[in-house]
Amino acid sequence: EADIYQTPRYLVIGTGKKITLECSQTMGHDKMYWYQQDPGMELHLIHYSYGVNSTEKGDLSSESTVSRIRTEHFPLTLESARPSHTSQYLCASSEDLGKPGANVLTFGAGSRLTVL
Amino acid sequence: AQSVTQLDSQVPVFEEAPVELRCNYSSSVSVYLFWYVQYPNQGLQLLLKYLSGSTLVKSINGFEAEFNKSQTSFHLRKPSVHISDTAEYFCAVSDRGGGFKTIFGAGTRLFVKA
Repeated sequence: EADIYQTPRYLVIGTGKKITLECSQTMGHDKMYWYQQDPGMELHLIHYSYGVNSTEKGDLSSESTVSRIRTEHFPLTLESARPSHTSQYLCASSEDLGKPGANVLTFGAGSRLTVL
Repeated sequence: AQSVTQLDSQVPVFEEAPVELRCNYSSSVSVYLFWYVQYPNQGLQLLLKYLSGSTLVKSINGFEAEFNKSQTSFHLRKPSVHISDTAEYFCAVSDRGGGFKTIFGAGTRLFVKA
């Protein structure tokens, strides 16, 4: 049973459209993340959040934005989608184990975005 | 900077044969180590982790990995694989000093044949 939910699972849209990928978790985790996954490549962190009203960009440059108004909700928005945004987007959260850096991640099933 | 190298992009193996998926990392600081598994059309799931203590860690479904600090490796092994083990496996590291970053390898696709 999934504790972190992503919608939509699959999305095909045209260039220039605005889209929001939803992510919700029921575990009460403070830390949440968005990763981009392409076949045969490392996962790349594009956004993360330490808690409500705390968001930062990750290593991979991204034209997307995120918000964290509630602990359980971490949506990702693309204001104007382009074909280069075609990818799989994975949302994750991690619990505090009392060990700094021990980020044990729980992932959602992913949102596969295709921009035509 | 940290990096993770998974030496094999694909590993085909027959059912009930042993398998080893190799992972080497590079880091100037001490790290935590993880293996995640991704089944088709699903997100990643934690398979096992090394945080401290015994350098040999085991999962509930028969996988094990051993942290070798001198060789900076964390290879994943299973003595007898099943068809259901077919998936993509990702090795990952994070910095013991803290922070948000988990660095992933590019993944190894394990394909178990009947």
